[in-house]
Order: sequence, then structure tokens, then C-alpha cells
Amino acid sequence: EVQLVESGGGLVKPGGSLRLSCAASGFTFSNYNMNWVRQAPGKGLEWVSSISSSGSYINYRDSVKGRFSISRDNAKNSLFLQLDSLRAEDTAVYYCARLYSYGYYFDYWGQGTLVTVSS
Amino acid sequence: QSVLTQPPSVSAAPGQKVTISCSGSSSNIGNYYVSWYQQLPGTAPKLLIYDNNERPSGIPDRFSGSKSGTSATLGITGLQTGDEADYYCGAWDGGLSGVVFGGGTKLTVL
Repeated sequence: EVQLVESGGGLVKPGGSLRLSCAASGFTFSNYNMNWVRQAPGKGLEWVSSISSSGSYINYRDSVKGRFSISRDNAKNSLFLQLDSLRAEDTAVYYCARLYSYGYYFDYWGQGTLVTVSS
Repeated sequence: QSVLTQPPSVSAAPGQKVTISCSGSSSNIGNYYVSWYQQLPGTAPKLLIYDNNERPSGIPDRFSGSKSGTSATLGITGLQTGDEADYYCGAWDGGLSGVVFGGGTKLTVL
């Protein structure tokens, strides 16, 4: 059974940092492009960042470029998102999601971890 | 402002049919597959439709998808109260090099 379990969320002050983790199991992690998708309270889904199966190709949405950093450890079946210079508008539930690259859809999602940026 | 456009809400009675539209452009829907996600209250999104009209294992055939040009439609027949959820369309955007979503449509089964 495919499982994605996020952790690392919490309350942080504006300008602060957090590191989110996603532990994957039930599939060959190193074969898949992985992504972070967020959802602000009461709002819709917003793609944040993606990383290719090998980690060679990385992309971010414009609003987080230079502040967020995605990485992965294929030996430990883990995905990470380093969030720096956090702003109030980054407050959201952050989901780890597996991308099926041929159709560009997210076939599995984690349960999410809440990041709250507030003074 | 979402890249893909969906109606904020739709409603219908139990047993009836409803459709949810999703409008995009040549950068996304026009040239890439569309997917649909169901988000029940308080839960993570779940894949409902992929490759425009394919259903993952376990998704009942009451759910269907279609695409024409730069628009897509999700159809749900035989509505049940358990179908009350937010529904999102998604597609790759070649200009943004990322997946874009619609703003979501809240389905109410009256």
C-alpha cells in the first residue's frame, strides 16, 4: 500500500524557517517525481514545487522561488521542503504528492502538515 | 486567482446528475491531460479522474470525465450525500512547468 506521511509543520514567526519531511512507503520511491502542494485555510489547491526521480530537475512556483528548497533522499525514501523567509501568506496545509509523469497527475497524496506563519 | 476556472458551487438532489466545468488555455488543458480530485471535508485530495476520462481502481463509474479543446467536464450521476465535497480540476501547464489547478467547486447534494 502506498503511503505518504508528512511531518514538520507548526507555528513560526514571519521571517522564520521550517523543514517539512515526507516519508514514503509501499512503492519504489526513486522511480517517481515528487511534489509539494499547499492549501491555504478555506482556499484551493496550489502547486508549490517538484523534484524529478533522480533529483536532477527541480521547479518552484514563482512566489516561493529563492525562499523554499525541495530535496529528496532516495536511500531513505524521503522528500523534504525547506521553508525560509516565511510570510503570512505561506500559511497552509502542505501536502506531499506523487506525480505520475506520463499524465501529469497526482495519484497519491499524504494527509498534510499545517504550517502557520504568525507573530 | 487560479489558472483554471471552475464554478464555485453546484448543487443537485440525491439521485440526480451534475456536471462541473473547468476552463483553461492552450498552455494547459489544450495540450495536456486533465485530472480531477475529490476532497471530502477535512481530508486530503483524492484522485478521481486522470488522462481526461480514466478512473483509478475503486472509483465508481458514476464519475466520468471529458475534454474538448481548452475545457473539461466532470460528470457525476446517481448523486449520493456522500458525494458532498470540493472538486478540483488539474492539468500540466507548459508555460509554468508545473501543475495548475482550478479554484475548486463545492458540491452540495440537497
